[in-house]
Amino acid sequence: NAGVTQTPKFRVLKTGQSMTLLCAQDMNHEYMYWYRQDPGMGLRLIHYSVGEGTTAKGEVPDGYNVSRLKKQNFLLGLESAAPSQTSVYFCASSYQLAGSYNEQFFGPGTRLTVL
Amino acid sequence: DAKTTQPPSMDCAEGRAANLPCNHSTISGNEYVYWYRQIHSQGPQYIIHGLKNNETNEMASLIITEDRKSSTLILPHATLRDTAVYYCIVRVGDQAGTALIFGKGTTLSVSS
Repeated sequence: NAGVTQTPKFRVLKTGQSMTLLCAQDMNHEYMYWYRQDPGMGLRLIHYSVGEGTTAKGEVPDGYNVSRLKKQNFLLGLESAAPSQTSVYFCASSYQLAGSYNEQFFGPGTRLTVL
Repeated sequence: DAKTTQPPSMDCAEGRAANLPCNHSTISGNEYVYWYRQIHSQGPQYIIHGLKNNETNEMASLIITEDRKSSTLILPHATLRDTAVYYCIVRVGDQAGTALIFGKGTTLSVSS
């Protein structure tokens, strides 16, 4: 049971380049999330998904797109990278249990630098 | 979600109990108290949560005051590996699909 995994672990892009970050979970979770973490700012939600084929915007969605074609995978895309997108990106997933707390399980993070 | 207040940093000797406080004076009746931690360069990790009663699991204990306006996370025998940023989060229980709001947390430094 690998939990939540993220690919790649590190990446350096030039301004204007595109890339896709992959998140995979093997816990059969319904919900998946993408956060970014900047120094001194805590984690902020970019996009999330409540099930296969559905996505929704979070707090800071501009400049990012997402897709959830398979239940176990959640992709985060940067179409035209900007230096402001330099950050650490965390993926998380959780169960869907009505009436109870749903702990979020986080991946190890992807460190992205945009030059 | 109610606002939380935590001290920015705390020190603890290895083997001793670490008691991390959190104030949440505006907490509502249906809001839970959750604790996560983030060890340097890793993803956040769930520790424990509670509503009214004190809770204990294999990682920690959570003590919530009777008026629910504050709580304390207790690591009974801190080790060097417990050095991390600890986040106290208050939110309604069944909010799957919404973000966890991480504040600045408390940086716990455990030394030998």
